[in-house]
Amino acid sequence: EIVLTQSPGTLSLSPGERVTLSCRASQSVSGGYLAWYQQKPGQAPRLLIYGASSRATGIPDRFSGSGSGTDFSLFISRLEPEDFAVYYCQQYEKSPETFGPGTKVDIK
Amino acid sequence: VTLVESGGALVQPGGSLRLSCAASGFRIDEYAIHWLRRPPGKGLEWVARITWDTSSLDYADSVKGRFTISRDNGKNSVFLQMNSLRGDDTAVYHCARGLRWSQSLGWFDPWGQGTLVSVSS
Repeated sequence: EIVLTQSPGTLSLSPGERVTLSCRASQSVSGGYLAWYQQKPGQAPRLLIYGASSRATGIPDRFSGSGSGTDFSLFISRLEPEDFAVYYCQQYEKSPETFGPGTKVDIK
Repeated sequence: VTLVESGGALVQPGGSLRLSCAASGFRIDEYAIHWLRRPPGKGLEWVARITWDTSSLDYADSVKGRFTISRDNGKNSVFLQMNSLRGDDTAVYHCARGLRWSQSLGWFDPWGQGTLVSVSS
């Protein structure tokens, strides 16, 4: 199966800062078959990005994604208070679909 | 568009449990529906999928032969029958909507809040 690793494990930031989260795959995820999710405590994961760079319905444009092959990134242009959460990447290149371990973005 | 899971409980090793996922705002016979889980302190794991036309029922290796996914179009609900439960099946189980009218793998949107399954004696 495709193993996803995410870095860093935790980021401590202040509102207004720009964020770059990384997701690396153990083998090529061709076609950009990668999604990003946000999860807050006690809530279900929320789809942010699919197809590596397409924003899901209702997602603010401060969220963007890029990447290809084995290296993908999620960007948050300017952190809002509601963005402090855990972010997961997920590949759907090959079955089983797999997830990264997550990056926690917390308040500095 | 929402999904609501139910049926989670404390069950002994070797026991069985049936989870339900009630969908609203869309028709389950147009979308793939998945079950995923998060064991305590661990990451998200995909568990099972039923495609829109029920032509494909797929399972993670860890549950194959023990879990069965099914659906009732009249109730707009999907089920996960879990047999021969083990301690490592302990997790919050989520259902999630997949792609519409497609056999392809894809993303999950939306997810339900989840239901807790605890396997312990």
